[in-house]
Amino acid sequence: SAVISQKPSRDICQRGTSLTIQCQVDSQVTMMFWYRQQPGQSLTLIATANQGSEATYESGFVIDKFPISRPNLTFSTLTVSNMSPEDSSIYLCSVRTPGPIQETQYFGPGTRLLVL
Amino acid sequence: SQKIEQNSEALNIQEGKTATLTCNYTNYSPAYLQWYRQDPGRGPVFLLLIRENEKEKRKERLKVTFDTTLKQSLFHITASQPADSATYLCALANSGYSTLTFGKGTMLLVSP
Repeated sequence: SAVISQKPSRDICQRGTSLTIQCQVDSQVTMMFWYRQQPGQSLTLIATANQGSEATYESGFVIDKFPISRPNLTFSTLTVSNMSPEDSSIYLCSVRTPGPIQETQYFGPGTRLLVL
Repeated sequence: SQKIEQNSEALNIQEGKTATLTCNYTNYSPAYLQWYRQDPGRGPVFLLLIRENEKEKRKERLKVTFDTTLKQSLFHITASQPADSATYLCALANSGYSTLTFGKGTMLLVSP
C-alpha cells in the first residue's frame, strides 16, 4: 500500500492566478497520476506524471494549463494555471505501487479548489 | 464511444440486507475491473479487482461478479451496515499498464 499526502487540502483562489498542488508518497512508486473530480462527476484523468520526463496528458488537458513536475519517485506537483471558476474542483493524486495486485491505485485525500 | 454507466440514483436499503450495485460498460475490452469506495471529502479507496477471466471474487462481506458477455459487473455487500454508506465507483482498464477510467459512482445509504 501507499500513504499519500497532498498540500494544500483546500484553497480559495482568485481568477487569473495559479495554484501549485503538492503530492508526497511514503514509498517509491512507478506510476503517479493526477485526477480531477468536479461536483457530481466522476474522476477524470488529467495526466500521468513521468519521473524525469514530461507528463503524458489526456485528451482535453494541456501542459500550459496544467504543468506537472515529478523530480523523483515519491513527489509530484500539479499547477493549475490562469484559473477560472470552471477549474473549481477536487484535484487528486494517485499512485500504483509494486505488489501482488499491481493494478491497484491509491489516492490522496484531494485538494479542494474554489476559484472566484 | 466508450461509456461506463452506474446507477445515478442513490440506493437506499435497510441494515442487514444485501446491497447490489451495477456497473455496465460499452466499447471496452477490459483486462480487469475494479471497485472503489469514496466517502465525502476523501479520495477513493480500493476494494476489489476482478480480471477478465474471473467470474466472481469475494472479500469478507463483498462479492463482485464480472460478465464480459453482458459487459456488466455486479457489486454486492451482504449484511449491510450503516457504516457501508458511501459512494461506490467502478473503474476499468484495457490492460495492466493502461490508465483507469471511472464511472460516476452510485451512492449507497444504509439505514439502521
